Amino acid sequence: ELKVEQNPLFLSMQEGKNYTIYCNYSTTSDRLYWYRQDPGKSLESLFVLLSNGAVKQEGRLMASLDTKARLSTLHITAAVHDLSATYFCAAPDTGTASKLTFGTGTRLQVTL
Amino acid sequence: DAGVIQSPRHEVTEMGQEVTLRCKPISGHDYLFWYRQTMMRGLELLIYFNNNVPIDDSGMPEDRFSAKMPNASFSTLKIQPSEPRDSAVYFCASSLHPRSNYGYTFGSGTRLTVV
Repeated sequence: ELKVEQNPLFLSMQEGKNYTIYCNYSTTSDRLYWYRQDPGKSLESLFVLLSNGAVKQEGRLMASLDTKARLSTLHITAAVHDLSATYFCAAPDTGTASKLTFGTGTRLQVTL
Repeated sequence: DAGVIQSPRHEVTEMGQEVTLRCKPISGHDYLFWYRQTMMRGLELLIYFNNNVPIDDSGMPEDRFSAKMPNASFSTLKIQPSEPRDSAVYFCASSLHPRSNYGYTFGSGTRLTVV
């Protein structure tokens, strides 16, 4: 059974600081997804990482994938308050690749 | 496209009542997923469909839960009878083939409270 673990579960950081969220998954996968969820809202797709070594950047967020280490990272550069949200990574089932297993989520709080 | 549309947004019901949640996927998406989100258990996949056919319902918690997809533009998740522990946010999501480059698109969710 695929397991997806994120750490930290909760992250409080000051504006302007840098930090990284880690996502480990237990079985081989060639792709990884990142989502953002604001309180009381739905999940919004951030990044789709499609191969080993993939790196994608959007604004102050950069995501990367290392399929050999079964690790993805979401790096936050010079955090701003608007980035406060919960971030989820998700990996596809290795059998059918039809369904995603989500991590526990990392709740990010950026303080002024 | 209006995205994935779920209704109702909020539902409050008494224990023992039947609850029906509805979902309209994005047109052209072949896959539809029902997830449940709680603080304790996070996001759990309940069931998913491919071309209106249920493929994997192993996440459905018990016989009180059932889901249907009578056509490509409509799905329901029914709980009968409902219990307080069913209180959660239920999300519907749809996608093209899962190995496409876009992942899932989620609906806005239905917040269910069973009292």
